[in-house]
Amino acid sequence: AQSVTQPDIHITVSEGASLELRCNYSYGATPYLFWYVQSPGQGLQLLLKYFSGDTLVQGIKGFEAEFKRSQSSFNLRKPSVHWSDAAEYFCAVGASNDYKLSFGAGTTVTVRA
Amino acid sequence: EAQVTQNPRYLITVTGKKLTVTCSQNMNHEYMSWYRQDPGLGLRQIYYSMNVEVTDKGDVPEGYKVSRKEKRNFPLILESPSPNQTSLYFCASSSRAKGDTEAFFGQGTRLTVV
Repeated sequence: AQSVTQPDIHITVSEGASLELRCNYSYGATPYLFWYVQSPGQGLQLLLKYFSGDTLVQGIKGFEAEFKRSQSSFNLRKPSVHWSDAAEYFCAVGASNDYKLSFGAGTTVTVRA
Repeated sequence: EAQVTQNPRYLITVTGKKLTVTCSQNMNHEYMSWYRQDPGLGLRQIYYSMNVEVTDKGDVPEGYKVSRKEKRNFPLILESPSPNQTSLYFCASSSRAKGDTEAFFGQGTRLTVV
């Protein structure tokens, strides 16, 4: 069965600083990987996804993520955060032969001025 | 506009009073699912449906029912709600028609059972 671990429950970062959110997955074959963002009171919005090909994936809002098979990781990065990036971020893993997504527990990002 | 619509957005109810949360999608997606979100636990799948009249249990199905009579609708039913079902609920839909499995989520329903 697939599973996802997000080691950081909460991260505080200064506006303009870089951000990296960690995600480790467990899955036997090549996974489908996603990052979603949830702003306060909102639903989940897809930031980016990885299915195959280039392991560095670009997403919306200036985010990118890198798939590292050897480390079973799919870390999310942003070079310079904005106050509007304060939100909860979820990493999810899916399978090529299954619709189901398994989510991590989430990482809450606080941006300080 | 492609979207998943849930209603209501907020609901406070009493223990044991049956309720239904509706979910509708306009993307002709075959797959729909319900999740609950609890602090520190992320999103956990309650039930899912592969297509009309095809539903199955997810990871936390106890106390919930679903139905899929039409492709666009996937209501979540709590026959006898209990306080431990107080949570934030999300409906999602997806399709493999274009080769991927990106899930589209509704805005969420915050349920409080007292």
